[in-house]
Amino acid sequence: QSALTQPRSVSGSPGQSVTISCTGTSNDVGGYNFVSWYQRHPGKAPKLMIYDVSKRPSGVPDRFSGSKSGNTASLTISGLQAEDEADYFCCSYAGSFINSVFGPGTTVTVL
Amino acid sequence: EVQLVESGGGLVQPGGSLRLSCTASGFTFSNYWMHWVRQAAGKGLVWVSLISPDGSTTRHADSVKGRFTISRDNAKNTLYLQMNSLRIEDTALYYCLRDTGDWSFDYWGQGSLVTVSS
Repeated sequence: QSALTQPRSVSGSPGQSVTISCTGTSNDVGGYNFVSWYQRHPGKAPKLMIYDVSKRPSGVPDRFSGSKSGNTASLTISGLQAEDEADYFCCSYAGSFINSVFGPGTTVTVL
Repeated sequence: EVQLVESGGGLVQPGGSLRLSCTASGFTFSNYWMHWVRQAAGKGLVWVSLISPDGSTTRHADSVKGRFTISRDNAKNTLYLQMNSLRIEDTALYYCLRDTGDWSFDYWGQGSLVTVSS
């Protein structure tokens, strides 16, 4: 059981938008602006897509965006493309002793 | 190209020890905080340990405190996780991660499998 909650799967057609939620508590997601999102293709290392809730690392397409409201963070993929089909998981800082907590991952399917 | 390559995993009996290594290349290893996280089969990722760039600050999850020790050798560009008194519930794939400095992780290794079983 993961500390953060995500839907198991979401799907959309090419060009559509999908949003993945990541729900925690005031001790993690709600308490810090250190939420990050990762994309993981089978057999590959996770790739950082969003950090600090809404910032994109260099090279990440701007169709990926992040936001947060209260204890829930969200990742939105706009203009869905076939190569976006992957697992996405969230991570939040949770204080100096627990440090980081993760979500279980959401499978994005491009129909 | 940044690379993190874990090694040292394997099968060990309960109560035994293992030392994982993570060899870094493609960046100035001594400038970065580093972490270990693990993932048991069918379960989510769990943070295990962190270490500061100079090795002076370390933190461990409560579940491994007193049994696991994170360390680094900046001259060898290598991160370590010494795991003692291993338990069946320590069975997992262990990843080393580079911290961006913003409590996110921009590079991950491929993982090293630790299996604790009699």
